[in-house]
Amino acid sequence: DADVTQTPRNRITKTGKRIMLECSQTKGHDRMYWYRQDPGLGLRLIYYSFDVKDINKGEISDGYSVSRQAQAKFSLSLESAIPNQTALYFCATSDRGQGNNEQYFGPGTRLTVT
Amino acid sequence: AQTVTQSQPEMSVQEAETVTLSCTYDTSESNYYLFWYKQPPSRQMILVIRQEAYKQQNATENRFSVNFQKAAKSFSLKISDSQLGDTAMYFCALCPVIQGAQKLVFGQGTRLTINP
Repeated sequence: DADVTQTPRNRITKTGKRIMLECSQTKGHDRMYWYRQDPGLGLRLIYYSFDVKDINKGEISDGYSVSRQAQAKFSLSLESAIPNQTALYFCATSDRGQGNNEQYFGPGTRLTVT
Repeated sequence: AQTVTQSQPEMSVQEAETVTLSCTYDTSESNYYLFWYKQPPSRQMILVIRQEAYKQQNATENRFSVNFQKAAKSFSLKISDSQLGDTAMYFCALCPVIQGAQKLVFGQGTRLTINP
């Protein structure tokens, strides 16, 4: 089984709809992240969480919200989706105790907003 | 602010050739990590190689090696004996070691195609 899973893998939604992307991990890591990938821009950080009670905005948090339901679960919500939120979304995890700062990525969610 | 720049949007080489992907970065932190990630058509982000800034020796992983020039803030990836399976997007990423933070800053990516 994959260590970091994301659901759904693909989603098409309409402008104005609320949508939630979910991330779960079995690695036991304390830190979790949400990134979006756009062509020509690489990956950009949306939100990150260092533990259940510590959530922080990243570079591009406008239009997004998150919830850390448990150490293993970190959800990303788009309250009212708009077409420029069409992108590939990645969840990642890392371990504070692991000194190499490596992050482990989920398989990604392709979101299309029409 | 931290920035990462990959100036080669696309590259293409023949199988078995050696190819070098360029990356420059900027950070005011004295300690940081640098990474190269590979993203094949499956979309999965796969760590290729890692370099710790305080280590002078260039990292190597089998056919993959880096040329880390700290003063020039350059971090290039060399792929030797390229294989068809190396075809992918490659991302350079910077992770400054700031207390309590562990955030990656990515470059724009280089699409590498290995031709048979």
